Amino acid sequence: GAVVSQHPSRVICKSGTSVKIECRSLDFQATTMFWYRQFPKKSLMLMATSNEGSKATYEQGVEKDKFLINHASLTLSTLTVTSAHPEDSSFYICSARGRGDEQYFGPGTRLTVT
Amino acid sequence: GESVGLHLPTLSVQEGDNSIINCAYSNSASDYFIWYKQESGKGPQFIIDIRSNMDKRQGQRVTVLLNKTVKHLSLQIAATQPGDSAVYFCAEFGNDYKLSFGAGTTVTVRA
Repeated sequence: GAVVSQHPSRVICKSGTSVKIECRSLDFQATTMFWYRQFPKKSLMLMATSNEGSKATYEQGVEKDKFLINHASLTLSTLTVTSAHPEDSSFYICSARGRGDEQYFGPGTRLTVT
Repeated sequence: GESVGLHLPTLSVQEGDNSIINCAYSNSASDYFIWYKQESGKGPQFIIDIRSNMDKRQGQRVTVLLNKTVKHLSLQIAATQPGDSAVYFCAEFGNDYKLSFGAGTTVTVRA
């Protein structure tokens, strides 16, 4: 199957700083990328959808100025958590979709804000 | 609102037995369903999918059944192994082309 990578896998940052998470589709071109957030023992919650070269579409309740998403190429999307606070600590997962319906997920990034 | 959910949050199964994980969905317009497996600290891993024009699909040791009449989806795992211990999510592909995930079922395999 297709491979999606995320970097970093874990990050610890201080409150008030910004953190960037990268998501790459390694062997296919991702026309659409998705960012999810997952709390412990909970399901995945879609945060936003991004198409290459256009602005991301955010789900209701997700602050676009807090979670900046850039989809600069068909293989790279980034999520920047700005002015992070402890409540932003979570597991962030990206996924990528090519031309078909199949959606491939990255391994996730564990963010801890101290 | 419309959502995808799971009947049971946990399932304990003896190694070698078959596992059945259930899922109910409410969006009758959904036409594509996927089961994912998520191990601790990892991203979801695709297991098997099924489209609404089918009622059964088989993979390696896994079978997905779709009952559109009652909007029910199930995943059957044959001869469950310790490596099958994980959280299993059903996901529904809605008419907004976004995946909606159910709550998840934690499967624990007893040796």
